[in-house]
Amino acid sequence: QVQLQQSGAELARPGASVKLSCKASGYTFTSYWMQWVKQRPGQGLEWIGAIYPGDGDTRYTQKFKGKATLTADKSSSTAYMQLSSLASEDSAVYYCARVTTDYWGQGTTLTVSS
Amino acid sequence: DIQMTQSPSSLSASLGERVSLTCRASQDIGSSLNWLQQEPDGTIKRLIYATSSLDSGVPKRFSGSRSGSDYSLTISSLESEDFVDYHCLQYASSPYTFGGGTKLEIK
Repeated sequence: QVQLQQSGAELARPGASVKLSCKASGYTFTSYWMQWVKQRPGQGLEWIGAIYPGDGDTRYTQKFKGKATLTADKSSSTAYMQLSSLASEDSAVYYCARVTTDYWGQGTTLTVSS
Repeated sequence: DIQMTQSPSSLSASLGERVSLTCRASQDIGSSLNWLQQEPDGTIKRLIYATSSLDSGVPKRFSGSRSGSDYSLTISSLESEDFVDYHCLQYASSPYTFGGGTKLEIK
C-alpha cells in the first residue's frame, strides 16, 4: 500500500535552515510528482511547490522561491524540502503529498524559536 | 496565479442537514479540482477528484459538482464525523492553489 512517511518534529533557530523528508513506499516513486504544502496554526493550506523525482523537475509558488528547495533521492524513494533563513512565520505543519492528492504524509511540525 | 475563493469559511449546521461548500475559480480550471477533508489531528484525505468523482470508500452522501466557475461539495445528510475542515485544490495550472478552507461545526 502507498505510504508517505514524514520526518519528525523540528525545532530550529531563527536564521537557520532545516531539511524535511518524506519517504515514499508502495508505488513507483519516480512516476509521480510530489508536492509540499504548508499549514500555519488555524490557517488554510498553502501550496509550496512540487518535484518530479524522475528527472528532478521542480515547480514553486513565487512566494516560496528562495525559501524552499525541493529535491528527491531516487535510490531511497525520499523527497526532501529544505527551508532556509528560518523566521517565526515559517513555524507550521508541512505536508508532502502526491500531486494527485490521493496520498498524504502525516505532516511535520516545524517550530522556529530562539 | 489562479485564485480559489472558498465559502463559507465556517458553517454551523445540524446533524442530518444538507450543506454545500463552494470554491470559485478566478480563471478557467475545467474539471481540475479536488476536495479534501482534514481531521482535527491534521490527517488529510481526498474525497472528490476531477470535480465530481467520488474516491473509493468515501460515503455516497458526499458529492461534487460544477456550475461555471463555481465548484461545490455537497453533503446530503450530515453525520457526526463530517464536522471537520474541508479544502478545495485546483490543479489546472502551476502553481496549484487551495481555497481558504471551510470549518464545519455542529449546531
